[in-house]
Amino acid sequence: GAVVSQHPSWVICKSGTSVKIECRSLDFQATTMFWYRQFPKQSLMLMATSNEGSKATYEQGVEKDKFLINHASLTLSTLTVTSAHPEDSSFYICSAPLPRSGGDTYEQYFGPGTRLTVT
Amino acid sequence: GDSVTQMEGPVTLSEEAFLTINCTYTATGYPSLFWYVQYPGEGLQLLLKATKADDKGSNKGFEATYRKETTSFHLEKGSVQVSDSAVYFCALLPGGSYIPTFGRGTSLIVHP
Repeated sequence: GAVVSQHPSWVICKSGTSVKIECRSLDFQATTMFWYRQFPKQSLMLMATSNEGSKATYEQGVEKDKFLINHASLTLSTLTVTSAHPEDSSFYICSAPLPRSGGDTYEQYFGPGTRLTVT
Repeated sequence: GDSVTQMEGPVTLSEEAFLTINCTYTATGYPSLFWYVQYPGEGLQLLLKATKADDKGSNKGFEATYRKETTSFHLEKGSVQVSDSAVYFCALLPGGSYIPTFGRGTSLIVHP
């Protein structure tokens, strides 16, 4: 089946530094990937849609300059948290869709998540 | 807009008990419906899905039936195990879209 990986699985950084999280589709190409943020005991919040070869689309309330997204290839999207602060500490999950059943139905494949802790 | 409502947790059960986690949805058209499971510290894994009315999705002893008349997709398992302890998310995906709408998640805790 389709596999999406994330790296790193966890990271601790100091306030004011930047952190890059990678999301890779290992056995399929993804022109679109999604980045979610999950707070403890809460559902996933869609942050942005990453588009290969073009700018990312951010959800309302998500700071574009803080959460930089680059979709460098058909198998790689990166999320960079710039000038991180403790309130950015969270669980970040990416996903990539794969069409099924003739192409009009999609399944989302999720990465294992990255736990970011900003001290 | 589209929405998914799940029963609030946590749901606490003893091993081998019967499980039901309720999920209802609001959507235009005919969405696909999914249950995802998230084990502690991990991402989401697809548990089962149904793409049209009256379809039954099943996997690992879990089942859910797409009920259009009641706009529901309740998750059931006849006999839970401690290893089923996790957070379960109900989600819908409108036809032709690839951005799912998630419920808030229901935590399941199974005691030995």
